Formats: sequence, C-alpha cells, structure tokens
Amino acid sequence: EVQLVESGGGLIQPGGSLRLSCAASGFTVTNNYMNWVRQAPGKGLEWVSVIYSDGSTYYIDSVKGRFTISRDNSKNTLYLQMNSLRAEDTAVYYCAREKGSTGAFDYWGQGTLLTVSS
Amino acid sequence: DIQMTQSPSTLSASIGDRVTITCRASQSIRNWLAWYQQKPGKPPKLLIYKASDLQSGVPSRFSGSGSGTEFTLTISSLQPDDFATYFCQLYNTYFTFGPGTKVDI
Repeated sequence: EVQLVESGGGLIQPGGSLRLSCAASGFTVTNNYMNWVRQAPGKGLEWVSVIYSDGSTYYIDSVKGRFTISRDNSKNTLYLQMNSLRAEDTAVYYCAREKGSTGAFDYWGQGTLLTVSS
Repeated sequence: DIQMTQSPSTLSASIGDRVTITCRASQSIRNWLAWYQQKPGKPPKLLIYKASDLQSGVPSRFSGSGSGTEFTLTISSLQPDDFATYFCQLYNTYFTFGPGTKVDI
C-alpha cells in the first residue's frame, strides 16, 4: 500500500529554518516525481517544489533560494529544507507523488502544519 | 505564467443534481489538467487526470472534458459524499492550481 507521512512542522520565528520530512512506503521515492504542495489556512493549494527521478529540481519563484528539496534513497524519504522563513510561508505542507508523467498527483500525505510567527 | 480561473467559486446544489464546474487557462495546456476533491482537514483526492481520465477507484458519476483552454468537471448525480471543494490543476513546466469551487447544500 502506498503511504506518505509528513513530519517536521511546527512554530518557528521569522527568519528561522526548518526541515520537513516525508516518509514513503509502498513505492520508491527515487523512481518517482515527488512534490511539495502547501495550503495556507483557509486558502487554496499552491505547488512549491518538485524533484524528478533524474534529480532535477524546480521551485515556485517565491521560495527560490530559500527552500531546497532533496531525497534520501536509503530512507525512502523526501525532504524540504526551508530557510529564511516568512510569515507568508505559514501553511499545511503536503508531499505528493506525481502519477507517472501525467502532471497529476495521485498520492498525498496528511500534511504537516508550519506556522511562522514571532 | 499561465493563469487559471475556476467558476463558480461557490455552488449550491441538492442531492441528485447534475453539477458542472469550469476551469479556464490563459493559454493552451492541451490536456494537461487534473481535478481534485478536498474535504476539510484532509488532503486533496485525485479524481480526473489528463483532462478526462478517471482515476482508479473514483465513482463513474465524475467525468472530465475539454482541451486547450477550457475544461469541465461534471458530477452526473450529486451524492451526499460529494459536498466538498473542487480544484483544477494544470501542468506546464510547473504546476498551478485553480482557486477552487465549494459545493454545498
């Protein structure tokens, strides 16, 4: 059974750093296109970053230079390192797997809440 | 960047109604469009991918159509479990979600 479990969220002050984790089971992270998607409280969905099977990475403009997506093959885990955090980064962060090369996300974690506030 | 609009933003409907939600892209995305259902406190659930392909396990009352810049999600007969928020999402190098349509009673 495919499962994604996020962890690492919490309350952090502006300017701080945090790393989110997404432990995968039932499939291999390395062989799939893995994403982070966020949702601010009461708002819509916003794609944040992707790491492709070849290791290439892409980011939404608002997080470029501050966030880094990565994966650990031995732990079958996806990460999002977040630096220079801002209040507008406050959101539930979901990891999601892309369904093949369809551009759609077929499996999602339950999400982890990041709150950036002083 | 390609912009997405979704209409209506809110839709009031009754059990058994036929419901249609529209998503428009600011330029052609061929059929690189997906639809999701989200309930409060839960992650989105994939319903339709590649504009019209039904995700495994999704009831057949859900269907998607369209290509280019205009897309439609149709629920043929609304069921109690369908009251939720629906998002469209495009893929064109990056991924962009529409603003959502809340379907309520």
